[in-house]
Amino acid sequence: EVQLAESGGDLVQPGGSLRLSCAASGFIFSDYWMSWVRQAPGKGLEWVANIKPDGSATYYVDSVKGRFTISRDNAENSLFLQMNYLGVVDTAVYYCTRTVGATPFDYWGQGTLVTVAS
Amino acid sequence: DIQMTQSPSTLSASVGDRVTITCRASQSINNWLAWYQQKPGKAPKLLIYKASSLESGVPSRFSGSGSGTEFTLTISCLQPEDFATYYCQQYNSYSVSWTFGQGTKVEIK
Repeated sequence: EVQLAESGGDLVQPGGSLRLSCAASGFIFSDYWMSWVRQAPGKGLEWVANIKPDGSATYYVDSVKGRFTISRDNAENSLFLQMNYLGVVDTAVYYCTRTVGATPFDYWGQGTLVTVAS
Repeated sequence: DIQMTQSPSTLSASVGDRVTITCRASQSINNWLAWYQQKPGKAPKLLIYKASSLESGVPSRFSGSGSGTEFTLTISCLQPEDFATYYCQQYNSYSVSWTFGQGTKVEIK
């Protein structure tokens, strides 16, 4: 059974940092593009970043470029999101999800809540 | 970046109704269009990919159509469990942002 489990969400002050993790199981992790998608409270979905199966390429939404870094450890079946210089606008539930071929986000984790507030 | 515009933002319908949601892309996305359903407090669920391919396990009352820049999601006979928010998403290229539409909330009339 495919499972994605996010962790690391917390309350952090503006300007702070946080590292999210996503533990994957039930599929060949190294075959899939992986992404982070976020959803601010009461708002819509926003794709944040993705990473190539071998980790050699990463892409970001403009609003997080230079602040967030997506990475992966295929040996540990894990996806990460390092978030620096957090602002109130980054408050959201962060989901990890996977893509292969023509099929976009077919499995999602349960999400982890990041709250940026003083 | 490619912008995705959904309409309507809210839709009131009754069980048994045929419902159509439209999604327009700011430029051609070559059918790289997906539809998701989201219920409160839950992760989104993939319904349709590549504009018209039904994801495994999704009921056949859901269908997608369109090409280029204009796409639709149709629910042929609305069921009680279908009241939710629906999002379109373009995934035209890995090297550019994969944008979502703003969502369409399907409410009970």
